[in-house]
Amino acid sequence: DIVMTQSPDSLAVSLGERATINCKSSQSVSHSSDNKNYLGWYQQKPGQPPKLLIRWASTRESGVPDRFSGSGSGTDFTLTISSLQAEDVAVYYCQHYFGTTRTFGQGTKVEIK
Amino acid sequence: QVQLVESGGALVKPGGSLRLSCAASGFTFKIYYMSWIRQAPGKGLEWLSYISSASTYSDYADSVKGRFTISRDDAQNSMYLQMHNLRAEDTAIYYCATENWGAFDYWGQGTLVTVSS
Repeated sequence: DIVMTQSPDSLAVSLGERATINCKSSQSVSHSSDNKNYLGWYQQKPGQPPKLLIRWASTRESGVPDRFSGSGSGTDFTLTISSLQAEDVAVYYCQHYFGTTRTFGQGTKVEIK
Repeated sequence: QVQLVESGGALVKPGGSLRLSCAASGFTFKIYYMSWIRQAPGKGLEWLSYISSASTYSDYADSVKGRFTISRDDAQNSMYLQMHNLRAEDTAIYYCATENWGAFDYWGQGTLVTVSS
């Protein structure tokens, strides 16, 4: 099974500053047939279910602020929050959907410094 | 609007069984792949199982394979998770979610399963 490893486990960023979360998969989640990366990013706030932010590694969902962006390919991916806002305090998860199983990373907690 | 409502969570003894339900509305349920995902208290997300449209395909995480069974009833716009031989480590909030090309785009609020003697 594909293992997803996020780094760091937590980070504290000042308001308005950039937050960067990394996600590494144990094998490529890029499909050669369509050149798509089968990876999503989720945001979970306390007491709420997760919310899908980004699919295909870099496609933002409708309504997601453009300060959230995803990049990467193959086995290495990044979620960037370009200018951290107070409402972005949450745990962020990457998730692969390559093949018949799906796996989440362990999560990265983002706080305000 | 899309709504997913999980039910069936309860306190159950180790070795016991439980059936969770996920009632869907606001979208064409029968064409969607669906998944169950859980979150132990204070822990991360763990995908458990998915079922395709028309119940053609399904798969499970190794942690629940052979103990849990996913099913759906398109006439009732519902999905189920039958859980057997429950263990303390199965204690979690269980979410159902729609799958859109493998990404989970809509989630329910979850139902709590507690396995304890």
